[in-house]
Amino acid sequence: GAVVSQHPSRVICKSGTSVKIECRSLDFQATTMFWYRQFPKQSLMLMATSNEGSKATYEQGVEKDKFLINHASLTLSTLTVTSAHPEDSSFYICSAATSGGVMNTEAFFGQGTRLTVV
Amino acid sequence: SQKIEQNSEALNIQEGKTATLTCNYTNYSPAYLQWYRQDPGRGPVFLLLIRENEKEKRKERLKVTFDTTLKQSLFHITASQPADSATYLCALPQAGTALIFGKGTTLSVSS
Repeated sequence: GAVVSQHPSRVICKSGTSVKIECRSLDFQATTMFWYRQFPKQSLMLMATSNEGSKATYEQGVEKDKFLINHASLTLSTLTVTSAHPEDSSFYICSAATSGGVMNTEAFFGQGTRLTVV
Repeated sequence: SQKIEQNSEALNIQEGKTATLTCNYTNYSPAYLQWYRQDPGRGPVFLLLIRENEKEKRKERLKVTFDTTLKQSLFHITASQPADSATYLCALPQAGTALIFGKGTTLSVSS
């Protein structure tokens, strides 16, 4: 199957700083990428959908100025958590899809990034 | 609003037995449903997709059923092994683009 690489796998940052997480599709072009957040023992919650070359669409309750998403190429999307606070500590996971989004096919997920804000 | 429920948070079974996990959904008529496996600290890995016009799908020791009348999917692992221990997630398409997930059922298979 297709490979989605997410980096870093773990990051610890100080409160008030910003952290960038990268999501790359290694062997296919991802026109759409999704960013999820998962708290312990909870479901994956969709944060935003990004389409290459256009602005991301954020889910209700997700602050777009805090979680900056850039999808500048067909193989790379980045999520920047700005002015991070301890409550932003979570497991962030990206998912990639080819044209049209996840339509009757599997989704490819990155390995996830464990963010800890101290 | 759309809701997905995986009614068992945890399931413990003995090696060799069949594990059956349940996924129920409400306020929704999905064109398909997917099951994923997630290991601790890892992203989900796709297992099976079943479409609304399919009653059952099999892949090796895995079997999925989809009852659109009951709004329920059952996920079976036959001849379970300790290596099957993981969290299994049910997922449905959201407005045809992203997926929404259930909380998952954590399966523990003891030898």
